[in-house]
Amino acid sequence: TQLLEQSPQFLSIQEGENLTVYCNSSSVFSSLQWYRQEPGEGPVLLVTVVTGGEVKKLKRLTFQFGDARKDSSLHITAAQPGDTGLYLCAGERWGGGFKTIFGAGTRLFVKA
Amino acid sequence: DAGVIQSPRHEVTEMGQEVTLRCKPISGHNSLFWYRQTMMRGLELLIYFNNNVPIDDSGMPEDRFSAKMPNASFSTLKIQPSEPRDSAVYFCASSEGRFRAFFGQGTRLTVV
Repeated sequence: TQLLEQSPQFLSIQEGENLTVYCNSSSVFSSLQWYRQEPGEGPVLLVTVVTGGEVKKLKRLTFQFGDARKDSSLHITAAQPGDTGLYLCAGERWGGGFKTIFGAGTRLFVKA
Repeated sequence: DAGVIQSPRHEVTEMGQEVTLRCKPISGHNSLFWYRQTMMRGLELLIYFNNNVPIDDSGMPEDRFSAKMPNASFSTLKIQPSEPRDSAVYFCASSEGRFRAFFGQGTRLTVV
């Protein structure tokens, strides 16, 4: 059972479309991070959200942390082929030190 | 900065053999994480160290897995004996404090 549930698991869209990826949990997290991973590489951090209700924007990407700090969403406006990749949400929890737990990821494919 | 360095990038071994994966974290980072990634289970946290001390190893699947961090610049993950179901990509990540983990490129392990 995943502590962080991501949906959808797979998404294939046309260039120019908008999309939203969700990350949900029944647990509260100290912070939540979004990473992007390309084939053959490790995940690369996109953004960290810390405060409940926080919204951050990174060019065409908008990230939101839920008010209760249990969920988050990633919205991409006017997707481009370069956005193709595996998007991972990760929650940070205290356990003698802060550890980061990942969701299973959403695999996005943007067709030109 | 060279980033997190993992070796080897690829490892193919026979069932029953010992496998040692190596990681050099980013200089100055005080936390180190070992993750395993498979299609079925996603990115799983195996163990993490804070200031070279193992904090949480609850993700280590079996006693066949062990990890050490003898100093701030080196860590190993050992599997002995290896089994086909251990085949996965193993990532090492390091961080300085909270909110951002830097990942290595991973070691793709195949046990035949």
